[in-house]
Parts: sequence; structure tokens; C-alpha cells
Amino acid sequence: TQLLEQSPQFLSIQEGENLTVYCNSSSVFSSLQWYRQEPGEGPVLLVTVVTGGEVKKLKRLTFQFGDARKDSSLHITAAQPGDTGLYLCAGGSNQGGKLIFGQGTELSVKP
Amino acid sequence: DAGVTQSPTHLIKTRGQHVTLRCSPISGHKSVSWYQQVLGQGPQFIFQYYEKEERGRGNFPDRFSARQFPNYSSELNVNALLLGDSALYLCASSFVLDSPLHFGNGTRLTVT
Repeated sequence: TQLLEQSPQFLSIQEGENLTVYCNSSSVFSSLQWYRQEPGEGPVLLVTVVTGGEVKKLKRLTFQFGDARKDSSLHITAAQPGDTGLYLCAGGSNQGGKLIFGQGTELSVKP
Repeated sequence: DAGVTQSPTHLIKTRGQHVTLRCSPISGHKSVSWYQQVLGQGPQFIFQYYEKEERGRGNFPDRFSARQFPNYSSELNVNALLLGDSALYLCASSFVLDSPLHFGNGTRLTVT
């Protein structure tokens, strides 16, 4: 069974701080996606990484896929209150579009 | 352009009843997937349909069923509801099987 573990589960920081969220597995994934979900809404795709060692940047967010394609990280620089939300990593299998989600990291950025 | 639309947005049912949730994909998208998200957890895969055929099924009991219509919309049916079925049910559409998922805002099901 493929599982993804995210850490930390909860993170409360002040505006301007940096943070890193980790997503780990013992399984290899064909791709790794990061989503952000706000209360009352569905997850919104932030990025997809497919190559081991790949790094992608989205403004203040940096995503990295592990060399072995078993883990990923999300780093946010100078967090803003607008970054508040539930961050989810999801691994793609070779079974079409089925995604395996981590349990999420609840981020709260206080002004 | 309209995103993925789900109906109803909220639903309260009693144990033992059945429920039908509906999803309209983004225009042009041929695949629809269903996920269950229990409070405090990440979404869990239930079904994926592509061109009206089931292409994937998660680890859910036979009380859960789904179908996709010729217009690519989809229904998720749950029979004999249990308290543990209370969750946010998310529908996602994609252009083809393994292209990026676009999620709707979900249906919040409460079973009492």
C-alpha cells in the first residue's frame, strides 16, 4: 500500500518567517503534486514534479522532488497571511489518474 | 469558464438511507474522479471514470457506486449510510486519464 506522510501536521508562524513542509514515502511515485485547500473549497493544484531531483519555483514557493522520487518538500519564503491554508501532497501512481494524498499540513500565518 | 460543479453543497442524511451526489466536469474534460475527505485528513480515492467506463476503484465497500453519463457528468451513490460516511466528497475532472485534476468545492455529507 502506497502511503504519504506529511510533516508537520500543524504549523503556526508569524508573517515574514520561512517554513518547510515535508512529504515522505517508502514508495516510488511517477509524479508528485502539491495542492492548497482553503475552508469550504476543493484543493487547487500548485505544482507537479515528475523528475527525481526536480526543483520548481512559484513566486515565494519552492518545490523539490527527491532523487529517488519517494519524497518531496515545499519551502515558503517570507510567509504571508494569504498563504494560510491546508497544504496537501499527492503522489501519482501508474494507475491512470489515481492520486495518493498525504494527510495535509495546516498552515496559519499570523500578521 | 465554469469549473467543476457539484451538487448539492451540503446534505444531511440518516443512517441507513442512501444518497446521490452529482458532478459536472469542466467542459471538454472526459475523466471524472471521486474522493472522500474526512475532517483532518487528506482526500482518499474512491473512483475514476473515463469515457463512461470505470478505470479505477479505491478501497471502499460495495455500498459505494458511481457512473458517468454520455455528457461526462457523473453521479456517486452511497447506500446504507453509516455515521463514518460523514465527509466532504470531492469530484475532480481532467482532460484525459492522467492529466492534472481540477477539483470542485465538494459536497459536505453529514450522516446522523
